[in-house]
Amino acid sequence: DVKVTQSSRYLVKRTGEKVFLECVQDMDHENMFWYRQDPGLGLRLIYFSYDVKMKEKGDIPEGYSVSREKKERFSLILESASTNQTSMYLCASSQIGWGPNTGELFFGEGSRLTVL
Amino acid sequence: DAKTTQPPSMDCAEGRAANLPCNHSTISGNEYVYWYRQIHSQGPQYIIHGLKNNETNEMASLIITEDRKSSTLILPHATLRDTAVYYCIVSPPGRLTFGKGTHLIIQP
Repeated sequence: DVKVTQSSRYLVKRTGEKVFLECVQDMDHENMFWYRQDPGLGLRLIYFSYDVKMKEKGDIPEGYSVSREKKERFSLILESASTNQTSMYLCASSQIGWGPNTGELFFGEGSRLTVL
Repeated sequence: DAKTTQPPSMDCAEGRAANLPCNHSTISGNEYVYWYRQIHSQGPQYIIHGLKNNETNEMASLIITEDRKSSTLILPHATLRDTAVYYCIVSPPGRLTFGKGTHLIIQP
């Protein structure tokens, strides 16, 4: 079974702290994604990566950065956490390319971050 | 610019077929139709996807109209555990953008 593991289910941080959210997948997927989910706004894409050391901005990248030093690991970084970054953060991975099995995203369980 | 239109909520009786509609009138030739669902407090789960032909798997069936401008996800025998938000997405493989989905409530 594909597994996407997020390091923490629940975090509480203070405004201004640097926050790392870690995501690891065990299926050798090329693509990895970070979304955030807020009530009434659905899932919004923050950043994604198609390869090691490669990153692309999603729809709401402001206030975030990412790191992909190894294929299986994709980290989301909040350099200076703010209260408006309180949210559920979801990591996902998928295979690259075209064909009948591509495009399927496998999600982690989510990390609920509260910034006080 | 929303690429898909789904009703915000639907009810279905347990044991009946749940038919969830999705309009995607601006779909491009290289875009697939994907369906995901999200049960409360969990990450979204892949259900099914298709390009032109109807598709079926152990979870659901996907019916895509001939002009590809709309589709229907069918859960053949809905159970209470199918209560979730269902997302219809049109996209080439890779980066998927989720809308607000349909909140499907299965009634006992």
